[in-house]
Amino acid sequence: AQRVTQPEKLLSVFKGAPVELKCNYSYSGSPELFWYVQYSRQRLQLLLRHISRESIKGFTADLNKGETSFHLKKPFAQEEDSAMYYCALSGTGNQFYFGTGTSLTVIP
Amino acid sequence: KAGVTQTPRYLIKTRGQQVTLSCSPISGHRSVSWYQQTPGQGLQFLFEYFSETQRNKGNFPGRFSGRQFSNSRSEMNVSTLELGDSALYLCASSLTGSVKDTQYFGPGTRLTVL
Repeated sequence: AQRVTQPEKLLSVFKGAPVELKCNYSYSGSPELFWYVQYSRQRLQLLLRHISRESIKGFTADLNKGETSFHLKKPFAQEEDSAMYYCALSGTGNQFYFGTGTSLTVIP
Repeated sequence: KAGVTQTPRYLIKTRGQQVTLSCSPISGHRSVSWYQQTPGQGLQFLFEYFSETQRNKGNFPGRFSGRQFSNSRSEMNVSTLELGDSALYLCASSLTGSVKDTQYFGPGTRLTVL
């Protein structure tokens, strides 16, 4: 069955420290993976997607098929990175599966 | 370009009633997806419409239904409301629904069932 797991509900890091938000998935085929972000009082929005292999706002994510992971990383956290982060998977069709989210707080 | 809009923003209903939520996608977008967001389950996919046809459906009971109009606006209906249906209902639109397209989310409709 398709599943996206984000093991950390809450994550706090100091400004300037590296940050890693974990995401593991379960899917029998070749999934497309995404990270979405929701800043305070804003809408959920796409942060980055695996197929684009892009870096957005200093964040990167590498798909590790062996470990079925798609962790989100940033070398130096900024206060404006504080937000709710969701990992998502798209399988057959356009059906998306979201993780339960990780709330990131960057401490000044 | 105006974003995805959802109406109403807040709703209070009682058990057994039915409710209709509306979603207007970004102009030119033909795919609309609906999600239910709850604290315990997170975001769960309800269904996706493209060109007035339901293409995908999540694992929800038949009380949850939807439709899409020729102008791509979509409605979602929940009949015989249960307490557990209390949630934030999000819709998202994209150009064609391809994974290469970006999904744009609306602000959500907060449904409370008493």
